[in-house]
Amino acid sequence: KAGVTQTPRYLIKTRGQQVTLSCSPISGHRSVSWYQQTPGQGLQFLFEYFSETQRNKGNFPGRFSGRQFSNSRSEMNVSTLELGDSALYLCASSLARTEYGYTFGSGTRLTVV
Amino acid sequence: AQSVTQLGSHVSVSEGALVLLRCNYSSSVPPYLFWYVQYPNQGLQLLLKYTTGATLVKGINGFEAEFKKSETSFHLTKPSAHMSDAAEYFCAVSDRGSTGGFKTIFGAGTRLFVKA
Repeated sequence: KAGVTQTPRYLIKTRGQQVTLSCSPISGHRSVSWYQQTPGQGLQFLFEYFSETQRNKGNFPGRFSGRQFSNSRSEMNVSTLELGDSALYLCASSLARTEYGYTFGSGTRLTVV
Repeated sequence: AQSVTQLGSHVSVSEGALVLLRCNYSSSVPPYLFWYVQYPNQGLQLLLKYTTGATLVKGINGFEAEFKKSETSFHLTKPSAHMSDAAEYFCAVSDRGSTGGFKTIFGAGTRLFVKA
């Protein structure tokens, strides 16, 4: 079966712009979580969506937002990009319960210049 | 709040030697514990998980981990390292949030080098 698909794979943006990243979870998975990965901070939890509702949120500024559609596909948006937003953004899907673990996408590498 | 500590940011072993990657956690009971592996330019892949039941958990690629509640540890082992095991390994703990959702917290990662 198809895995978690993230688009685009690579992105270069300028400071002050905004960006939207997309994630299609595994068919049947209703939970989608987003993580930011950087060499200095490691994997940082952004938010989790389940059935179009944000169920949990990490400690990121309001510039980071997301949503989930009725088909479980998810998008995250970062407005007013800063240099420090350069990172690998990973989407992870799961069946509803935490103990199942995640299936990750390959990520979107965002570079802000 | 839960946390995960991985001891050693880099571990180097010879091919054929024992692999031991250490992980300690703090969490409310019961903890859900995971090990993931990440190869360059890829996402993370689930190696194994502990939820309930048997404390020795077997995963893919010959890896296993033992949950020791008294030591709050979940160390990852493999009897004999292969060159293909070279990657970064992440220990993680999952927490049921107050809103009903869940959040998985990852350790800082341990990069495994395998020498020929």
